[in-house]
Amino acid sequence: AAGVIQSPRHLIKEKRETATLKCYPIPRHDTVYWYQQGPGQDPQFLISFYEKMQSDKGSIPDRFSAQQFSDYHSELNMSSLELGDSALYFCASIRSGGHEQYFGPGTRLTVT
Amino acid sequence: GEDVEQSLFLSVREGDSSVINCTYTDSSSTYLYWYKQEPGAGLQLLTYIFSNMDMKQDQRLTVLLNKKDKHLSLRIADTQTGDSAIYFCAESIRNQGGKLIFGQGTELSVKP
Repeated sequence: AAGVIQSPRHLIKEKRETATLKCYPIPRHDTVYWYQQGPGQDPQFLISFYEKMQSDKGSIPDRFSAQQFSDYHSELNMSSLELGDSALYFCASIRSGGHEQYFGPGTRLTVT
Repeated sequence: GEDVEQSLFLSVREGDSSVINCTYTDSSSTYLYWYKQEPGAGLQLLTYIFSNMDMKQDQRLTVLLNKKDKHLSLRIADTQTGDSAIYFCAESIRNQGGKLIFGQGTELSVKP
């Protein structure tokens, strides 16, 4: 079965650079969630989209923005990167009305 | 408020049963989930339970929910070395768009 796809899987950036993370949800899933997992931490909710509109916002820094496109894929844009942004970034998708939120493999971002 | 708590470590012998516990505070939780994360990998959805159920069984996995005490447990029968991983409990709050609030994760170590 198709799963959530994230790219790139690994990304190394320097401080103050920008990064774009991409997420392709499972086909027919219209809702996307972004989570950040720091080393040894639990995943923390950042932001979500339903039908291309932002549906909820969590602890996402103002330096980050995201959007969902007409094909339901989503991108997380991160600017002025800081060392503390180094983490695993997960995307998850769900079909509206469903209850099973499936996660992608994550993008490991390292900021040096 | 939203708070999910788990014990951090559990060690069992291969073939024994493992019981991983979780407590949550928000009585508006609608669905409660168990995810498995192997080192450097994504979050694998194991099972979930609706908040008006008491128990759910799926092959070697049994989920028990005590709504009065807001206590959730995951029992893994006949634990194998391949079950070694971090197990996250997560809750989805009613009317909060489906975002997941995670516990800190329980590291399960299975010894041969």
